[in-house]
Amino acid sequence: AQSVAQPEDQVNVAEGNPLTVKCTYSVSGNPYLFWYVQYPNRGLQFLLKYITGDNLVKGSYGFEAEFNKSQTSFHLKKPSALVSDSALYFCAVTLYGQNFVFGPGTRLSVLP
Amino acid sequence: EAQVTQNPRYLITVTGKKLTVTCSQNMNHEYMSWYRQDPGLGLRQIYYSMNVEVTDKGDVPEGYKVSRKEKRNFPLILESPSPNQTSLYFCASAWAKANEQFFGPGTRLTVL
Repeated sequence: AQSVAQPEDQVNVAEGNPLTVKCTYSVSGNPYLFWYVQYPNRGLQFLLKYITGDNLVKGSYGFEAEFNKSQTSFHLKKPSALVSDSALYFCAVTLYGQNFVFGPGTRLSVLP
Repeated sequence: EAQVTQNPRYLITVTGKKLTVTCSQNMNHEYMSWYRQDPGLGLRQIYYSMNVEVTDKGDVPEGYKVSRKEKRNFPLILESPSPNQTSLYFCASAWAKANEQFFGPGTRLTVL
């Protein structure tokens, strides 16, 4: 069975500082991994995905994520946080691209 | 404008009264999916469809039905809603499996 953990319910960071939102997964096989962001009262928006290849994936709005197979992690990072990055972030995994499992979400607050 | 639309956006109903939430996409996507979002649980997949007349269960299909008679539409049917189906529902579509999903704006359902 597939599962995704986001160990932090809430992450607070000061504007201009680097941010990390953590994600670990459990799946038997080679996963496809995704990050989505949800702004208040909106649907989810795609940020980036890892399918295969380079372990460092770059996505929208300056975000990137590093796939670490040995640690089964896919942490989301950004070098310099903006107040507008404040939102709910979801990590998702799929094994064959059909059945998706999402993490519980991490609320990011960027403080001015 | 490329989009996924859902109707209604808000619905309050009573236990046992059949309802349908419609989902339509105008991007000619093959893959469509329904999720429910509950606090602390993230998104959980209800059903997905790889193409017309091809549907399959996600992780929480009990109490729900879907159909995919046309490529653009993927309605979610609750034959006999119960209070534990009170949730925020999202429809999503993608070009194909393992591609980024485009999410609709959500439907907030309350079952009394």
